[in-house]
Amino acid sequence: AQSVTQLDSQVPVFEEAPVELRCNYSSSVSVYLFWYVQYPNQGLQLLLKYLSGSTLVKGINGFEAEFNKSQTSFHLRKPSVHISDTAEYFCAVSFYSSASKIIFGSGTRLSIRP
Amino acid sequence: DGGITQSPKYLFRKEGQNVTLSCEQNLNHDAMYWYRQDPGQGLRLIYYSQIVNDFQKGDIAEGYSVSREKKESFPLTVTSAQKNPTAFYLCASRDLAHNEQFFGPGTRLTVL
Repeated sequence: AQSVTQLDSQVPVFEEAPVELRCNYSSSVSVYLFWYVQYPNQGLQLLLKYLSGSTLVKGINGFEAEFNKSQTSFHLRKPSVHISDTAEYFCAVSFYSSASKIIFGSGTRLSIRP
Repeated sequence: DGGITQSPKYLFRKEGQNVTLSCEQNLNHDAMYWYRQDPGQGLRLIYYSQIVNDFQKGDIAEGYSVSREKKESFPLTVTSAQKNPTAFYLCASRDLAHNEQFFGPGTRLTVL
């Protein structure tokens, strides 16, 4: 079965510390991978995506993610977080065989402490 | 300014009433989607449409209905058959060329 797992529901970090939000997927076919950010009471905004090519993907707001096919992971990282990064982050996967649908993880709430 | 609009932002309805949520896009995207978001559960797909006059059920279509008469518009009706309609509803459209979804700002529906 195809699925997406975000291992941490909440991640608290101090301001200017590094952060990693974990995402694993399960699929028997090739995938496209996405990270979205959601601020309170707003829609989702695309942070970055992996379609093909280089496995290290850079996105907006200083975030990056690395696609690891052998570990079926797509973890999101930022070397130094800011208070404004406080939000919920969603990992998402679509599949070559059914690119019209995207499956979302359950989300990770990132809270930044001053 | 290109984008997706959803209206209203907040909606209150009495139990047993049908309610229609609006979604309009001017991005010229063929595909459009409706998701429901509940705390701690991520996004769940209700319905999607890949082309005008055609749509498919998602994972939680029961108690919902949609129409796609125009490319720009994909309204969602929450019927009285939906047992727990209070949630945050998100509309999205998809750019086939770049394979990403763009989201509207959402509508928070509260059934009293």
